[in-house]
Amino acid sequence: GAVVSQHPSRVICKSGTSVKIECRSLDFQATTMFWYRQFPKQSLMLMATSNEGSKATYEQGVEKDKFLINHASLTLSTLTVTSAHPEDSSFYICSVEAPAGWGTRETQYFGPGTRLLVL
Amino acid sequence: AQTVTQSQPEMSVQEAETVTLSCTYDTSESDYYLFWYKQPPSRQMILVIRQEAYKQQNATENRFSVNFQKAAKSFSLKISDSQLGDAAMYFCAYSPGGGGATNKLIFGTGTLLAVQP
Repeated sequence: GAVVSQHPSRVICKSGTSVKIECRSLDFQATTMFWYRQFPKQSLMLMATSNEGSKATYEQGVEKDKFLINHASLTLSTLTVTSAHPEDSSFYICSVEAPAGWGTRETQYFGPGTRLLVL
Repeated sequence: AQTVTQSQPEMSVQEAETVTLSCTYDTSESDYYLFWYKQPPSRQMILVIRQEAYKQQNATENRFSVNFQKAAKSFSLKISDSQLGDAAMYFCAYSPGGGGATNKLIFGTGTLLAVQP
Protein backbone atom coordinates (compact mmCIF):
# COMPACT_ATOMS: atom_id res chain seq x y z
CA GLY A 1 0.00 0.00 0.00
CA ALA A 2 0.90 3.64 -0.27
CA VAL A 3 3.09 5.30 2.34
CA VAL A 4 1.67 8.17 4.34
CA SER A 5 3.67 9.76 7.13
CA GLN A 6 2.55 11.83 10.09
CA HIS A 7 4.60 13.99 12.38
CA PRO A 8 4.80 14.05 15.31
CA SER A 9 3.75 10.57 16.38
CA ARG A 10 2.86 11.83 19.82
CA VAL A 11 2.74 15.19 21.50
CA ILE A 12 2.03 16.43 24.98
CA CYS A 13 1.13 20.07 25.43
CA LYS A 14 -0.26 22.42 28.01
CA SER A 15 -3.83 23.61 27.88
CA GLY A 16 -4.18 26.75 25.78
CA THR A 17 -1.32 26.08 23.42
CA SER A 18 -1.55 25.21 19.73
CA VAL A 19 -0.29 22.03 18.14
CA LYS A 20 0.44 21.39 14.46
CA ILE A 21 0.28 17.90 12.96
CA GLU A 22 1.73 17.19 9.52
CA CYS A 23 0.51 14.59 7.05
CA ARG A 24 2.65 13.74 4.03
CA SER A 25 1.86 11.58 1.04
CA LEU A 26 5.15 9.96 0.05
CA ASP A 27 4.10 7.83 -2.92
CA PHE A 28 1.87 10.15 -4.94
CA GLN A 29 0.45 13.60 -5.16
CA ALA A 30 -2.87 14.05 -3.44
CA THR A 31 -5.38 16.78 -4.11
CA THR A 32 -7.54 15.43 -1.32
CA MET A 33 -6.57 14.29 2.15
CA PHE A 34 -8.81 13.44 5.07
CA TRP A 35 -8.43 14.02 8.80
CA TYR A 36 -10.00 11.66 11.34
CA ARG A 37 -10.18 11.58 15.11
CA GLN A 38 -10.34 8.42 17.17
CA PHE A 39 -11.13 8.34 20.87
CA PRO A 40 -10.02 5.29 22.91
CA LYS A 41 -11.86 2.12 21.98
CA GLN A 42 -14.00 3.97 19.47
CA SER A 43 -14.22 4.17 15.72
CA LEU A 44 -12.74 6.77 13.42
CA MET A 45 -14.77 9.90 12.91
CA LEU A 46 -14.13 12.11 9.91
CA MET A 47 -13.30 15.66 10.95
CA ALA A 48 -12.63 17.35 7.65
CA THR A 49 -11.61 16.96 4.05
CA SER A 50 -8.47 18.81 3.06
CA ASN A 51 -8.41 20.16 -0.49
CA GLU A 52 -5.20 21.34 -2.12
CA GLY A 53 -5.40 25.00 -2.99
CA SER A 54 -8.79 25.62 -1.43
CA LYS A 55 -10.56 25.69 1.90
CA ALA A 56 -11.12 22.52 3.86
CA THR A 57 -14.57 21.04 4.20
CA TYR A 58 -15.54 20.36 7.80
CA GLU A 59 -17.98 17.79 9.08
CA GLN A 60 -20.95 18.91 11.10
CA GLY A 61 -20.01 19.67 14.68
CA VAL A 62 -16.31 20.23 13.99
CA GLU A 63 -15.16 23.75 14.78
CA LYS A 64 -13.25 25.12 11.81
CA ASP A 65 -11.64 27.86 13.89
CA LYS A 66 -10.33 25.35 16.36
CA PHE A 67 -9.06 22.76 13.90
CA LEU A 68 -7.23 24.68 11.18
CA ILE A 69 -6.36 22.73 8.07
CA ASN A 70 -3.87 23.86 5.45
CA HIS A 71 -3.25 21.84 2.30
CA ALA A 72 -0.47 23.94 0.84
CA SER A 73 1.01 21.39 -1.55
CA LEU A 74 0.03 18.18 -3.27
CA THR A 75 1.94 16.12 -0.72
CA LEU A 76 1.40 17.96 2.56
CA SER A 77 -1.61 18.76 4.70
CA THR A 78 -1.42 20.16 8.22
CA LEU A 79 -3.92 20.13 11.06
CA THR A 80 -3.46 22.73 13.78
CA VAL A 81 -5.35 22.31 17.02
CA THR A 82 -5.62 25.85 18.35
CA SER A 83 -5.94 26.67 22.04
CA ALA A 84 -5.98 22.98 22.87
CA HIS A 85 -7.88 21.75 25.92
CA PRO A 86 -7.89 18.37 27.67
CA GLU A 87 -11.03 17.31 25.80
CA ASP A 88 -9.05 17.62 22.54
CA SER A 89 -6.81 14.78 23.68
CA SER A 90 -7.26 12.06 21.10
CA PHE A 91 -5.65 10.08 18.30
CA TYR A 92 -5.59 12.03 15.04
CA ILE A 93 -5.18 10.15 11.78
CA CYS A 94 -4.86 11.41 8.23
CA SER A 95 -5.53 9.53 5.04
CA VAL A 96 -4.78 10.01 1.38
CA GLU A 97 -6.88 8.83 -1.52
CA ALA A 98 -5.10 6.79 -4.16
CA PRO A 99 -5.25 8.52 -7.56
CA ALA A 100 -6.51 7.00 -10.77
CA GLY A 101 -3.95 4.65 -12.23
CA TRP A 102 -2.57 3.65 -8.86
CA GLY A 103 -4.36 0.34 -9.14
CA THR A 104 -6.67 0.65 -6.17
CA ARG A 105 -8.54 3.83 -6.91
CA GLU A 106 -11.12 5.16 -4.53
CA THR A 107 -9.05 3.63 -1.71
CA GLN A 108 -7.68 5.60 1.20
CA TYR A 109 -4.30 4.92 2.78
CA PHE A 110 -3.71 6.01 6.33
CA GLY A 111 -0.90 7.64 8.21
CA PRO A 112 0.35 6.08 11.46
CA GLY A 113 -1.55 8.62 13.55
CA THR A 114 -0.65 11.26 16.13
CA ARG A 115 -1.45 10.83 19.79
CA LEU A 116 -2.25 14.19 21.37
CA LEU A 117 -2.38 14.63 25.13
CA VAL A 118 -3.38 18.01 26.48
CA LEU A 119 -2.60 18.59 30.14
CA ALA B 1 -27.44 9.26 5.45
CA GLN B 2 -25.29 6.23 5.02
CA THR B 3 -24.57 4.10 8.07
CA VAL B 4 -22.37 1.09 8.78
CA THR B 5 -23.19 -1.42 11.51
CA GLN B 6 -20.91 -4.03 13.04
CA SER B 7 -22.95 -6.04 15.52
CA GLN B 8 -20.08 -8.05 16.99
CA PRO B 9 -17.99 -5.93 19.40
CA GLU B 10 -15.65 -8.86 20.08
CA MET B 11 -14.88 -12.18 18.44
CA SER B 12 -12.47 -14.98 19.24
CA VAL B 13 -10.99 -17.69 17.02
CA GLN B 14 -8.55 -20.53 17.46
CA GLU B 15 -5.33 -20.34 15.51
CA ALA B 16 -5.69 -22.04 12.08
CA GLU B 17 -9.49 -21.89 12.27
CA THR B 18 -11.88 -19.73 10.24
CA VAL B 19 -13.82 -16.75 11.51
CA THR B 20 -16.42 -14.48 9.92
CA LEU B 21 -16.94 -10.86 10.89
CA SER B 22 -20.30 -9.29 10.09
CA CYS B 23 -21.08 -5.90 8.61
CA THR B 24 -24.27 -4.35 7.33
CA TYR B 25 -24.73 -0.94 5.80
CA ASP B 26 -27.47 1.34 4.66
CA THR B 27 -27.41 3.44 1.51
CA SER B 28 -29.71 4.52 -1.26
CA GLU B 29 -26.86 4.63 -3.77
CA SER B 30 -26.33 1.92 -6.36
CA ASP B 31 -22.60 2.44 -6.86
CA TYR B 32 -20.23 2.59 -3.92
CA TYR B 33 -17.20 0.92 -2.34
CA LEU B 34 -16.83 -1.21 0.75
CA PHE B 35 -13.68 -1.87 2.72
CA TRP B 36 -12.34 -3.81 5.62
CA TYR B 37 -9.50 -2.18 7.51
CA LYS B 38 -7.43 -3.74 10.26
CA GLN B 39 -6.10 -1.74 13.20
CA PRO B 40 -3.53 -3.65 15.29
CA PRO B 41 -2.30 -2.36 18.66
CA SER B 42 0.07 0.01 16.84
CA ARG B 43 -3.13 1.77 15.65
CA GLN B 44 -1.91 1.91 12.05
CA MET B 45 -4.93 1.43 9.78
CA ILE B 46 -4.19 -1.28 7.23
CA LEU B 47 -6.35 -2.01 4.21
CA VAL B 48 -7.42 -5.66 4.23
CA ILE B 49 -9.78 -5.88 1.29
CA ARG B 50 -12.02 -3.72 -0.91
CA GLN B 51 -15.16 -4.42 -2.88
CA GLU B 52 -16.71 -2.39 -5.67
CA ALA B 53 -20.48 -2.57 -5.48
CA TYR B 54 -20.97 -2.96 -9.21
CA LYS B 55 -18.92 -6.15 -9.19
CA GLN B 56 -20.90 -9.25 -8.31
CA GLN B 57 -17.79 -11.34 -7.70
CA ASN B 58 -16.67 -11.42 -4.09
CA ALA B 59 -13.22 -9.95 -3.48
CA THR B 60 -10.45 -12.17 -2.13
CA GLU B 61 -6.97 -11.42 -0.84
CA ASN B 62 -5.05 -14.52 0.16
CA ARG B 63 -6.65 -15.76 3.42
CA PHE B 64 -9.21 -12.95 3.44
CA SER B 65 -12.44 -13.03 1.49
CA VAL B 66 -15.76 -11.26 1.62
CA ASN B 67 -19.36 -12.31 1.19
CA PHE B 68 -20.98 -9.32 -0.50
CA GLN B 69 -24.76 -9.46 -0.61
CA LYS B 70 -25.84 -6.23 -2.29
CA ALA B 71 -29.59 -6.72 -1.95
CA ALA B 72 -29.25 -7.51 1.74
CA LYS B 73 -26.65 -4.74 2.18
CA SER B 74 -24.33 -7.15 3.89
CA PHE B 75 -20.54 -7.30 3.65
CA SER B 76 -18.95 -9.94 5.87
CA LEU B 77 -15.24 -10.74 6.13
CA LYS B 78 -13.99 -14.31 6.32
CA ILE B 79 -10.52 -14.98 7.65
CA SER B 80 -9.25 -18.48 6.90
CA ASP B 81 -6.37 -20.24 8.63
CA SER B 82 -6.30 -17.56 11.32
CA GLN B 83 -2.88 -16.50 12.53
CA LEU B 84 -1.78 -14.79 15.74
CA GLY B 85 -0.93 -11.71 13.71
CA ASP B 86 -4.57 -11.37 12.66
CA ALA B 87 -5.48 -10.25 16.17
CA ALA B 88 -6.64 -6.65 15.82
CA MET B 89 -9.63 -4.36 15.61
CA TYR B 90 -11.40 -4.74 12.29
CA PHE B 91 -13.41 -1.89 10.84
CA CYS B 92 -15.91 -2.14 8.04
CA ALA B 93 -16.19 1.04 5.97
CA TYR B 94 -18.37 2.47 3.23
CA SER B 95 -17.46 5.06 0.64
CA PRO B 96 -19.76 6.65 -1.91
CA GLY B 97 -16.88 6.86 -4.39
CA GLY B 98 -16.77 9.55 -7.00
CA GLY B 99 -13.26 10.57 -6.10
CA GLY B 100 -11.96 13.59 -4.27
CA ALA B 101 -13.89 15.23 -1.50
CA THR B 102 -16.98 13.11 -2.01
CA ASN B 103 -15.06 9.95 -1.29
CA LYS B 104 -15.29 10.10 2.48
CA LEU B 105 -15.20 6.91 4.50
CA ILE B 106 -17.94 6.00 6.95
CA PHE B 107 -16.78 3.48 9.52
CA GLY B 108 -18.56 0.91 11.60
CA THR B 109 -17.86 0.64 15.32
CA GLY B 110 -15.36 -2.15 14.89
CA THR B 111 -14.94 -5.79 15.93
CA LEU B 112 -12.06 -6.74 18.21
CA LEU B 113 -10.70 -10.09 17.06
CA ALA B 114 -8.70 -12.26 19.44
CA VAL B 115 -6.75 -15.24 18.13
CA GLN B 116 -6.17 -18.05 20.62
CA PRO B 117 -3.01 -20.17 20.23
